Amino acid sequence: DVKVTQSSRYLVKRTGEKVFLECVQDMDHENMFWYRQDPGLGLRLIYFSYDVKMKEKGDIPEGYSVSREKKERFSLILESASTNQTSMYLCASSATSGANVLTFGAGSRLTVL
Amino acid sequence: GDSVTQMEGPVTLSEEAFLTINCTYTATGYPSLFWYVQYPGEGLQLLLKATKADDKGSNKGFEATYRKETTSFHLEKGSVQVSDSAVYFCALSATLGGWGKLQFGAGTQVVVTP
Repeated sequence: DVKVTQSSRYLVKRTGEKVFLECVQDMDHENMFWYRQDPGLGLRLIYFSYDVKMKEKGDIPEGYSVSREKKERFSLILESASTNQTSMYLCASSATSGANVLTFGAGSRLTVL
Repeated sequence: GDSVTQMEGPVTLSEEAFLTINCTYTATGYPSLFWYVQYPGEGLQLLLKATKADDKGSNKGFEATYRKETTSFHLEKGSVQVSDSAVYFCALSATLGGWGKLQFGAGTQVVVTP
């Protein structure tokens, strides 16, 4: 069964901490995405990547960075976590030939105290 | 820019009732349209899609028709089950490229009671 795996389902961090959210896909997809999900706001795109070592800003990149050193792995980094970054983070991937269909991970719920 | 507007929830229904979730969009060109579903505790999964005007997507008893003249993609199911309780997201992708860069609506929570 093809998968997008997010390593942490629940995290609790303190303000100012550096936070790493990891995502791995086993479908050999070229494209990977990080979305943030908040009630009433739906999903908002933070960053995406079309290839290894490439990254593009989404709609809300402020306060975040990403890393894609290998095709299967896409990491989201919060350099200095703040309380307004408390949210559900969803990783997704897609194939360039895949008609824009996303496969999502189960999500990482981050609470920043 | 591109945007998606869907009806607010929660929508509460009894089992076997008819479900409609309205979705309208604003986009240049000819986007592809999607419905994704998120069951409790899970990530989103594709429910159905349509790539051009008048296409009808269908899956698991759900249907939606791409209506360019009304810029709509309303989701319908004739007889819901308790297991259909979830959050439903309407989404669109840009006409050119995009490769999965989707614009999502706010989501509509559906609660089906026995």
